[in-house]
Amino acid sequence: GAVVSQHPSRVICKSGTSVKIECRSLDFQATTMFWYRQFPKQSLMLMATSNEGSKATYEQGVEKDKFLINHASLTLSTLTVTSAHPEDSSFYICSAGVGTGRSGNTIYFGEGSWLTVV
Amino acid sequence: GNSVTQMEGPVTLSEEAFLTINCTYTATGYPSLFWYVQYPGEGLQLLLKATKADDKGSNKGFEATYRKETTSFHLEKGSVQVSDSAVYFCALSQADSGYALNFGKGTSLLVTP
Repeated sequence: GAVVSQHPSRVICKSGTSVKIECRSLDFQATTMFWYRQFPKQSLMLMATSNEGSKATYEQGVEKDKFLINHASLTLSTLTVTSAHPEDSSFYICSAGVGTGRSGNTIYFGEGSWLTVV
Repeated sequence: GNSVTQMEGPVTLSEEAFLTINCTYTATGYPSLFWYVQYPGEGLQLLLKATKADDKGSNKGFEATYRKETTSFHLEKGSVQVSDSAVYFCALSQADSGYALNFGKGTSLLVTP
């Protein structure tokens, strides 16, 4: 079946550096992918919609210059956390959908990426 | 806007007990409704879904019925197991948002032997 894969699953970076997280759809093409963020013991919050070949659409309150999203192909979206700070430490998870119409779509989530900024 | 409200956790049950996790939603139109499960240290897994009123989603002994009249999608299981211990998220998506999901805050379930 369709699978969405994220890499890396865990990353530790120093404060002030940038880190890139990849989200791949392994056996289907995804014109749209979504990036969520989850703080410990809290729900997932939609950060942005990644659109293949165009700019990402960010949710209110999400800094687009800090969370750079690139969707260069139909199978790959990347999230780059720039100038990371400890408060950016979180679980980041992507999703992609396949199918058409409300009844036919299926949403797949990546395994998630734990980011720790020290 | 769209929103999902779940009962607060944590919920602690003994093995073989009956489980209900309440979920209500606010949305315009006819959203699709989902339950996702997150095991400790893992990502999200789709548990079940329903795409129209009166649909019943079911999987692994869990069930939820899409009730438009009460805007609810309560999760139930007749006999829980220790392996069901996880966080459960209710979510909805609208056709006009593509595949973006609005999540509830999650309900932590602990099943004890």
